[in-house]
Amino acid sequence: GDSVTQMEGPVTLSEEAFLTINCTYTATGYPSLFWYVQYPGEGLQLLLKATKADDKGSNKGFEATYRKETTSFHLEKGSVQVSDSAVYFCALRGYNNNDMRFGAGTRLTVKP
Amino acid sequence: DGGITQSPKYLFRKEGQNVTLSCEQNLNHDAMYWYRQDPGQGLRLIYYSQIVNDFQKGDIAEGYSVSREKKESFPLTVTSAQKNPTAFYLCASSGTGGLGYEQYFGPGTRLTVT
Repeated sequence: GDSVTQMEGPVTLSEEAFLTINCTYTATGYPSLFWYVQYPGEGLQLLLKATKADDKGSNKGFEATYRKETTSFHLEKGSVQVSDSAVYFCALRGYNNNDMRFGAGTRLTVKP
Repeated sequence: DGGITQSPKYLFRKEGQNVTLSCEQNLNHDAMYWYRQDPGQGLRLIYYSQIVNDFQKGDIAEGYSVSREKKESFPLTVTSAQKNPTAFYLCASSGTGGLGYEQYFGPGTRLTVT
């Protein structure tokens, strides 16, 4: 079945450092790909998404490119802030499939 | 403002009692979902519903029950048969069919059973 694997955390960075969180997927056909963010004690918020190969999703300085050849959707940000500290989830939704599969989540802590 | 509401935010129950968690959405979404999240863990799907009066078991349905009598509402009952019910419960909704429909999440209910 469809699945998502993302890099294990926790990840600790200093403010203004470059962030990469790796995400790879296994799916039949052409899934849609998502990154969600969860702040402590809250639900998940959509950060960005991409629905076809080579699409780049972006929001709040975060970016991720849908790479079909490497089945990847890595999350990047050029300069992280303390306020980016949260748990990040990679997810996929299969074509014509209303079910969504989530990765295990990666906890990011940014220190001043 | 459209969104998903879950109530209450914190819930405490004694072991052996059933408890019902509320989830309401005003996004006019056909599909609704319940997930369980344990500390430091990802999301595990409990039940989902793609249309009123129909629902399917997810990966960890044992000890839980749901109903979908209205499009806007998808309550989850945690029964006494659930062996380890203490967790953070998240409700979500989405559009159906085709590409790109993300799930929208509520703020969650933290259930503690002692």
